[in-house]
Amino acid sequence: KQEVTQIPAALSVPEGENLVLNCSFTDSAIYNLQWFRQDPGKGLTSLLLIQSSQREQTSGRLNASLDKSSGRSTLYIAASQPGDSATYLCALITQGGSEKLVFGKGTKLTVNP
Amino acid sequence: GAGVSQTPSNKVTEKGKYVELRCDPISGHTALYWYRQSLGQGPEFLIYFQGTGAADDSGLPNDRFFAVRPEGSVSTLKIQRTERGDSAVYLCASSLGVQGSETQYFGPGTRLLVL
Repeated sequence: KQEVTQIPAALSVPEGENLVLNCSFTDSAIYNLQWFRQDPGKGLTSLLLIQSSQREQTSGRLNASLDKSSGRSTLYIAASQPGDSATYLCALITQGGSEKLVFGKGTKLTVNP
Repeated sequence: GAGVSQTPSNKVTEKGKYVELRCDPISGHTALYWYRQSLGQGPEFLIYFQGTGAADDSGLPNDRFFAVRPEGSVSTLKIQRTERGDSAVYLCASSLGVQGSETQYFGPGTRLLVL
């Protein structure tokens, strides 16, 4: 059974700092991995999707990497801003039939002005 | 519409009652997913439709939960004899349906509270 773990559970940083969020998974046979952002009381916004054949994806100040062999993904946020404050969720689809996403519990990020 | 929509946004009901939650996917998306999110947790998979059929319903917790998608577009999640433990945010997502390669787009969710 696929398990997804996100460390740390919460992170507080000053504005302008570069930061890394971590995601690990137990089964490396995946189709893809997605990083989502969730604001309080809101739904999920997709940030980046990495296919299993890819190593990284970039969008603006965000860069996500994938290392299937070690079962890890990281989300790098450059020059953090208070507006980046949210919960970041890692999720993936495991090979073997179903298209369901398996989620971690998320990392709650607070960027202080 | 431009995104996935869900109605109602909030639902308060009493234990033992029946509720229906509705999801309108992005136009043209053949795949539709239901997830449930409890406080402080990541979303957990309930059921996945490809077109009108349920391709995977392994996440439904018990037979009180049922979902339909009769015309391959709108879906309804139905919960019978609600229990307090059913209180959660129910999220719907849709995608183009190409196996394993597509972004899932989420709606804002329905917050269900069972008193």
